[in-house]
Amino acid sequence: EPEVTQTPSHQVTQMGQEVILRCVPISNHLYFYWYRQILGQKVEFLVSFYNNEISEKSEIFDDQFSVERPDGSNFTLKIRSTKLEDSAMYFCASIAVGGNTGELFFGEGSRLTVL
Amino acid sequence: AQSVTQLGSHVSVSEGALVLLRCNYSSSVPPYLFWYVQYPNQGLQLLLKYTTGATLVKGINGFEAEFKKSETSFHLTKPSAHMSDAAEYFCAVSGRNNAGNMLTFGGGTRLMVKP
Repeated sequence: EPEVTQTPSHQVTQMGQEVILRCVPISNHLYFYWYRQILGQKVEFLVSFYNNEISEKSEIFDDQFSVERPDGSNFTLKIRSTKLEDSAMYFCASIAVGGNTGELFFGEGSRLTVL
Repeated sequence: AQSVTQLGSHVSVSEGALVLLRCNYSSSVPPYLFWYVQYPNQGLQLLLKYTTGATLVKGINGFEAEFKKSETSFHLTKPSAHMSDAAEYFCAVSGRNNAGNMLTFGGGTRLMVKP
């Protein structure tokens, strides 16, 4: 069964360092997303991406964050200069079409720990 | 704008007992409603969804949920809990005018099943 894969599963970094989280969405999907979950808190929307550009982003997704689809398979989230409060589980998701009636397929998450 | 409230961050039931996980939402537009489950060290998996039509929806693993507009609720139930149901459950809402599939999640409810 097709699945969304994310790497790394866990990354520990020092505050101020750049981090890149990688995702391989399901191959025929067109819409891609990043969500995050700070430990003990809600899963929060960060950004959606369609047709090689950001379609929506939340207040959380400030200038420290960027997304990219560098090739036909990967979808990356970059945090330019990590802060302690960036420590969270980051989930990538994808869906074949828009229209918000479908199921988002989520990856297993990348846990980021900022020291 | 949408929001989701899940009453009870932890719910404990005995094996074979009824499972009831509560979800209330607010939405300025007619909602689409979802329940996702997260097993330990795994991603978010769709249990069931309400878009239009029948307000009682059935999902995987014997779960069902009923959309009650008058109560702005979408509670998740299962008649008889299994040990394998132990997981974290997330209710989510998406507005019908949101073509980008952006989900707003509740805080999650951790279900524990006692033998």
